[in-house]
Amino acid sequence: AQKVTQAQTEISVVEKEDVTLDCVYETRDTTYYLFWYKQPPSGELVFLIRRNSFDEQNEISGRYSWNFQKSTSSFNFTITASQVVDSAVYFCALDTGTASKLTFGTGTRLQVTL
Amino acid sequence: GAVVSQHPSWVICKSGTSVKIECRSLDFQATTMFWYRQFPKQSLMLMATSNEGSKATYEQGVEKDKFLINHASLTLSTLTVTSAHPEDSSFYICSASQGARLGYTFGSGTRLTVV
Repeated sequence: AQKVTQAQTEISVVEKEDVTLDCVYETRDTTYYLFWYKQPPSGELVFLIRRNSFDEQNEISGRYSWNFQKSTSSFNFTITASQVVDSAVYFCALDTGTASKLTFGTGTRLQVTL
Repeated sequence: GAVVSQHPSWVICKSGTSVKIECRSLDFQATTMFWYRQFPKQSLMLMATSNEGSKATYEQGVEKDKFLINHASLTLSTLTVTSAHPEDSSFYICSASQGARLGYTFGSGTRLTVV
């Protein structure tokens, strides 16, 4: 069975602070994909990143960066110099070869204030 | 990039009526479509998976007679909430997939309110 844990329910930071959102996953499959999505108050899901299990390279995209560590089954997401527009719920998700569907974590609500 | 159009974006209906929600992949053929339900401040809960031309596979606890899913073509899936009741009020989101390697594209969601 697949499972995604996002232990942080809510995080509040002041603008320009860095913030890391944690994601821990469980799967017995050796081939799998990890995702991060952003859900702003409007409700739509915005795709941020997809990472396959064979690629452990960290990735940086502007103020966003992701740290994938298979040894700890974690796929953490860091926002550098946070902005008010980053306020949203962020979901980590897992897709395995056997499941062929997304398993979502419970989400982390990020509030960035001035 | 891949786009999924979901309509309507919001709907208010009377208790006992049925509501249909459409999900279309605009620029690609989706091998599989998914329907999710999301209650306020909760995660997305997968309701069912549908493949074009075959019956949908429902997750445990989801009433298939209440939530009718039709996937008539590779670009269109519909979810019909039959005999809606206030407890069916929720945010419904569809997703279209071209396989895990290519990822998933989500619709913008439908906020259903049953009064």
